[in-house]
Amino acid sequence: AQSVTQLGSHVSVSEGALVLLRCNYSSSVPPYLFWYVQYPNQGLQLLLKYTSAATLVKGINGFEAEFKKSETSFHLTKPSAHMSDAAEYFCAVSGSAGNMLTFGGGTRLMVKP
Amino acid sequence: EPEVTQTPSHQVTQMGQEVILRCVPISNHLYFYWYRQILGQKVEFLVSFYNNEISEKSEIFDDQFSVERPDGSNFTLKIRSTKLEDSAMYFCASSEDRGAPDTQYFGPGTRLTVL
Repeated sequence: AQSVTQLGSHVSVSEGALVLLRCNYSSSVPPYLFWYVQYPNQGLQLLLKYTSAATLVKGINGFEAEFKKSETSFHLTKPSAHMSDAAEYFCAVSGSAGNMLTFGGGTRLMVKP
Repeated sequence: EPEVTQTPSHQVTQMGQEVILRCVPISNHLYFYWYRQILGQKVEFLVSFYNNEISEKSEIFDDQFSVERPDGSNFTLKIRSTKLEDSAMYFCASSEDRGAPDTQYFGPGTRLTVL
């Protein structure tokens, strides 16, 4: 069984500030971990994924995430927020190829000017 | 860039009616999925489809639901007799099956409203 918890349903940062979105997972098998972003009226777009090749994963738009097995975490960060980063962010876990994704509850990121 | 498309973007139906939600996955993809998101809740997996049969399904995917790939391009989700609690955003996704971790590409969703 797999589950994902995203701490903070809403996060607000100022433009230029650090973005930190938290994700903790539980999985009975080595997990594959994903971050997706959803802009208004659009589908889910992949930001990055953990492939087990490296614990620090770089994604699109300057985002990165670090897999920490000891903490069962996969937090998403970006050094400097832009207004265009305002969206909903979803962390997800799967167990193998072609397998279902289990999503966290999502975090809505707001960026203040 | 290839993308998953879904029609309609919004469907309104009366309770008890049948609805068919349509998806066109990315053309060379082999796995197809349906997820749903009830307003204010998590995105939930419904079903995956591979090689013309259901690969995996969740407890939500009961006898009221069915999926079909009627031709080489479309992938449909049918709800036979809609209930109020079926109101949700339904997302279609597809993946290539290039080995784990397989990236699922999502469509923009169909918002289903059951009255």
